[in-house]
Amino acid sequence: AQSVSQHNHHVILSEAASLELGCNYSYGGTVNLFWYVQYPGQHLQLLLKYFSGDPLVKGIKGFEAEFIKSKFSFNLRKPSVQWSDTAEYFCAVRVSGGYQKVTFGTGTKLQVIP
Amino acid sequence: GAVVSQHPSRVICKSGTSVKIECRSLDFQATTMFWYRQFPKQSLMLMATSNEGSKATYEQGVEKDKFLINHASLTLSTLTVTSAHPEDSSFYICSAPGPAYEQYFGPGTRLTVT
Repeated sequence: AQSVSQHNHHVILSEAASLELGCNYSYGGTVNLFWYVQYPGQHLQLLLKYFSGDPLVKGIKGFEAEFIKSKFSFNLRKPSVQWSDTAEYFCAVRVSGGYQKVTFGTGTKLQVIP
Repeated sequence: GAVVSQHPSRVICKSGTSVKIECRSLDFQATTMFWYRQFPKQSLMLMATSNEGSKATYEQGVEKDKFLINHASLTLSTLTVTSAHPEDSSFYICSAPGPAYEQYFGPGTRLTVT
């Protein structure tokens, strides 16, 4: 069964700092990869996803993620964070072509200080 | 985008009673819906997959007789927590998959069992 690791549990940054959140998964086959965001008091929303093609994926609000197959990684990045990016971020993996079940990482809480 | 609603948003019940939580896809049909449980500072734990017109598929360790799932129509799935106990207190979230396997999440239901 696939698993997802997010190594950063809590990240605190100042506004305008660059962000990189790590995500590693364990599964040897083809996967679909997602990043979801949960803003305070709101429900989970899709930030971006990777299915195939260009391993650098751009999402909403200036976020991007790079799929590195050899490292089983799908790190989330943003060059300059804003206070409004304060939220919890979840990486998720789905085995391609199979059952629709998605496995989530434990989440990273990002706090951006104005 | 697709919208998933949940009702109620929060419920308090006494130990030993049953509670029903509804999950609706508002502007699309969902033959499959997922039920998650989210513990504080932890990730989403998939409890079961709800299948329209057939039995739900439960994850290992989830008691099917305690967490009854019914997917009565293409837009409605219900989770009934039977004979609730304080340890069942949690945040329950449902989701429905979109056409590209992304998940659309409901806002969640906070269950407190006293």
